[in-house]
Amino acid sequence: AQTVTQSQPEMSVQEAETVTLSCTYDTSENNYYLFWYKQPPSRQMILVIRQEAYKQQNATENRFSVNFQKAAKSFSLKISDSQLGDTAMYFCAFATRNRDDKIIFGKGTRLHILP
Amino acid sequence: DVKVTQSSRYLVKRTGEKVFLECVQDMDHENMFWYRQDPGLGLRLIYFSYDVKMKEKGDIPEGYSVSREKKERFSLILESASTNQTSMYLCASSLLITGGRSYNSPLHFGNGTRLTVT
Repeated sequence: AQTVTQSQPEMSVQEAETVTLSCTYDTSENNYYLFWYKQPPSRQMILVIRQEAYKQQNATENRFSVNFQKAAKSFSLKISDSQLGDTAMYFCAFATRNRDDKIIFGKGTRLHILP
Repeated sequence: DVKVTQSSRYLVKRTGEKVFLECVQDMDHENMFWYRQDPGLGLRLIYFSYDVKMKEKGDIPEGYSVSREKKERFSLILESASTNQTSMYLCASSLLITGGRSYNSPLHFGNGTRLTVT
């Protein structure tokens, strides 16, 4: 079975620091996508970043970047120069065509950015 | 921007009641999904739909049904609400990617409905 594991239920960092959220997954597939979603306290979940498994280059979106290690099945999210608005629940997610197009989510990491 | 609207932010219902959760999206997305979110369990897929009148079971469909009579609207129905269905319910939509597969298509979520069954 394909699984997504986020080993850090909760984290706190000071504003302006860099923080890394961990995610590992388990699959026998070669062709898949990985996502990080953010759910701020107002609750609407939004996509932060997306990575295609066949691309070697790590995806970046402004202050957000990923460290994708395909062999290790690891997909961590790095937030640089963290801001108070980054306080949220972060979900790692995985999707492969052999899962009938369903996206599998991890259990989430609650991130607190402290002033 | 895609807007996914869930009809209620908070809902309180009694055990045994029939409950309807409504979701509407305004971007002509083919795919729509219902998830429930519980602390420590993350998001779990209840049902999804790729087209009008079409539905597929997710990972936890028991106790739920869905209806998709129009492309923009996807309803989640709790036939007889029970206390273990107290949860946050999230609706999402996504675009159908050319070729009939959508696994790489980002989800757009609504604000969620917090349902309490007493």
